[in-house]
Amino acid sequence: KNQVEQSPQSLIILEGKNCTLQCNYTVSPFSNLRWYKQDTGRGPVSLTIMTFSENTKSNGRYTATLDADTKQSSLHITASQLSDSASYICVVSGAAGNKLTFGGGTRVLVKP
Amino acid sequence: EAGVAQSPRYKIIEKRQSVAFWCNPISGHATLYWYQQILGQGPKLLIQFQNNGVVDDSQLPKDRFSAERLKGVDSTLKIQPAKLEDSAVYLCASIGPGSSYNEQFFGPGTRLTVL
Repeated sequence: KNQVEQSPQSLIILEGKNCTLQCNYTVSPFSNLRWYKQDTGRGPVSLTIMTFSENTKSNGRYTATLDADTKQSSLHITASQLSDSASYICVVSGAAGNKLTFGGGTRVLVKP
Repeated sequence: EAGVAQSPRYKIIEKRQSVAFWCNPISGHATLYWYQQILGQGPKLLIQFQNNGVVDDSQLPKDRFSAERLKGVDSTLKIQPAKLEDSAVYLCASIGPGSSYNEQFFGPGTRLTVL
């Protein structure tokens, strides 16, 4: 069964600090992995996407990594800001490309 | 370009009542999805349309949920009758020619509370 597990479920960090979110998946065959940011009351917005051959991708202060061998990904947030408070969802796409398996998300709260 | 539009943004109903949600995808996007997102969880696919045809409705509770996209543009999702466990955010997403690696563009969602 295709699954995406994220950890931690939630975390609280101080403004300016870094944090790393984890994503483990069992989706096979694999096409790509996205990290989405979902602000409260809004739909998810794509942050990064990585295919099988990519092992790192940055978008500003967000850096995602992918290890396709161990089927693990991480999202690193550098110098967190209050606006980073949101849920971060890891989404893996199977070989067909448009059937997605969603993780449960990590809720991040950045405190001043 | 305008994003995915959804309405209403919020809806409160009592159990056993009916409710309908509307979605207008990004212009030109042929593929449309409805998701159910329960608080604290990731979205769960309910139904996928390609133009006006259903591609996947395997997880749609068909005894109470229905969806249509008659003209291949906007779509309506209906729940009749609603149960307490239907309380969730209902997200609509679309894919079109400009989507890289089939990126789905999400609307803001409709938050449903069933009392």
